[in-house]
Amino acid sequence: GESVGLHLPTLSVQEGDNSIINCAYSNSASDYFIWYKQESGKGPQFIIDIRSNMDKRQGQRVTVLLNKTVKHLSLQIAATQPGDSAVYFCAENMSGGSYIPTFGRGTSLIVHP
Amino acid sequence: GAGVSQSPRYKVTKRGQDVALRCDPISGHVSLYWYRQALGQGPEFLTYFNYEAQQDKSGLPNDRFSAERPEGSISTLTIQRTEQRDSAMYRCASSWKPADRELFFGEGSRLTVL
Repeated sequence: GESVGLHLPTLSVQEGDNSIINCAYSNSASDYFIWYKQESGKGPQFIIDIRSNMDKRQGQRVTVLLNKTVKHLSLQIAATQPGDSAVYFCAENMSGGSYIPTFGRGTSLIVHP
Repeated sequence: GAGVSQSPRYKVTKRGQDVALRCDPISGHVSLYWYRQALGQGPEFLTYFNYEAQQDKSGLPNDRFSAERPEGSISTLTIQRTEQRDSAMYRCASSWKPADRELFFGEGSRLTVL
């Protein structure tokens, strides 16, 4: 089975609201967790990552939170815009010799104007 | 080039035929990954290279699938004796260096096996 997954397949929000996309993982050995955004018809695009020894990391309008106790990862998008509409994937790498980003199913974010 | 380039963008083939999918990574990128993505699913790892060396091919479904990157730049994913279940979007990604967390994905090659 997948070691990375998402709680909600679809999230609908109003423009200007904050969005929270959740992800559960099972591999405690991963060094990093990464968020990707995939717009329709395009390949995934890197958004932000967080190292496993951190709890929070902020980027431009995005914040990633990592709760290792419950193996939970979230991506918060502030003031969501129509351009944020996409599928969001969390991914994890595995510690050890090979770095192989492993993706979950994804959450579709729909932003209503 | 400016980004990862994949060709062909669309390939329709008959069952039993061989197909070759090409990936031209961003110039200078050391690592190159192949993924397969089903509709509505996340990319599924197939194999990856650092320079010309294939580091891991544990994700290749069976021995009909192979990949090469002979000069450490362009890579080819070959599927022999295609089957309908091979129909999917095949995505290539590259990164500046090994273990880099930011992968740059191409637009993908959509394979349809009739």
